[in-house]
Amino acid sequence: DAMVIQNPRYQVTQFGKPVTLSCSQTLNHNVMYWYQQKSSQAPKLLFHYYDKDFNNEADTPDNFQSRRPNTSFCFLDIRSPGLGDAAMYLCATSRDRGPDSPLHFGNGTRLTVT
Amino acid sequence: QKEVEQNSGPLSVPEGAIASLNCTYSDRGSQSFFWYRQYSGKSPELIMFIYSNGDKEDGRFTAQLNKASQYVSLLIRDSQPSDSATYLCAVNRGNNNDMRFGAGTRLTVKP
Repeated sequence: DAMVIQNPRYQVTQFGKPVTLSCSQTLNHNVMYWYQQKSSQAPKLLFHYYDKDFNNEADTPDNFQSRRPNTSFCFLDIRSPGLGDAAMYLCATSRDRGPDSPLHFGNGTRLTVT
Repeated sequence: QKEVEQNSGPLSVPEGAIASLNCTYSDRGSQSFFWYRQYSGKSPELIMFIYSNGDKEDGRFTAQLNKASQYVSLLIRDSQPSDSATYLCAVNRGNNNDMRFGAGTRLTVKP
């Protein structure tokens, strides 16, 4: 089945220790997104790639970076995690950026910062 | 004012009843509207989406859109305990697929 896969499902890192989350997709979608979701809150868009074109949200901290080396893979790098970065990180894809393109989510990575 | 607002709940309905979930949005130029279901600790999964005024039905689910009132709703008929989850409303604000989510309404269906 075509899908969006995130690894790992659970990640524990230490305060200030860089961490990388990964996402892959077999849907052959053009757009890949990273969302941050904290408990009982709305998913918050961090950035997205339309093909190789990187789009950063204005309020995404510089501590968060992303890479998309090819169509299938996208990575989220957190350079110096703080306690406030503990959250579920959701990768999503969409066929394109039109209004009739729903998001397809991976299973998420739950990040704990100790 | 939040861009997408939902009553956080919890909304509790008995099994077999109709659950009604509501969402309002602030950007009048929004083009399409999505409902996602999210079980605790899991990622959101798409239920359905709508972009024309009126009703759209898919099985036990009906989405209703009123652009003049900037209001979208989701009705779940014959609610089942397995429908117990948080329901997220998402609004696409334009061609850049600028998707904004509400914080969700937690639904509990009691057997």
